[in-house]
Amino acid sequence: DVKVTQSSRYLVKRTGEKVFLECVQDMDHENMFWYRQDPGLGLRLIYFSYDVKMKEKGDIPEGYSVSREKKERFSLILESASTNQTSMYLCASSSRRYRGLVRQYFGPGTRLTVT
Amino acid sequence: GENVEQHPSTLSVQEGDSAVIKCTYSDSASNYFPWYKQELGKRPQLIIDIRSNVGEKKDQRIAVTLNKTAKHFSLHITETQPEDSAVYFCAARREYGNKLVFGAGTILRVKS
Repeated sequence: DVKVTQSSRYLVKRTGEKVFLECVQDMDHENMFWYRQDPGLGLRLIYFSYDVKMKEKGDIPEGYSVSREKKERFSLILESASTNQTSMYLCASSSRRYRGLVRQYFGPGTRLTVT
Repeated sequence: GENVEQHPSTLSVQEGDSAVIKCTYSDSASNYFPWYKQELGKRPQLIIDIRSNVGEKKDQRIAVTLNKTAKHFSLHITETQPEDSAVYFCAARREYGNKLVFGAGTILRVKS
């Protein structure tokens, strides 16, 4: 069974702090994603990575950066946290090995509050 | 880019009734349409998906239909049960792409 884990379930940070959210998957998946989930807006893609050291911007990358130094780990970085980044952050992973097999497996989420 | 609209935003049904959630997409190149269910406090989980070469797919009480011409697809849940209460998300993916574009979600409440 695929396991996607996230470093924290709840996080409270102050405005201006640098915030690191980590995601680890154990299925050797090539693709990893970071979403934020807000009521009424669904899941919006921040960044994704299709290989180690590779990344692509999603729909809302402003204020975020990412790092993928190892295949199993994908980090989301808020360089200077702001209150409008208070949200639920979800990590996901998927395989690229099989054509069309694009099921994404999600982590449990990190609820970040920026005060 | 792709845009996915999902309706309704909330849906209340009586236990045993059917529920239908509809999504429309904008990119005619999209060819994969999954549905995810997210129970309160839990992670989204895939419940059913459909590819563009198929018009309908069923899995027990859940079915998805796709109309490529009209660019819309729907989730049908029959004989709803209280445990079906959750947020449901539809999504669309372009051919050979890695990214999914999600709808805004539908809160389904099944009243017993």
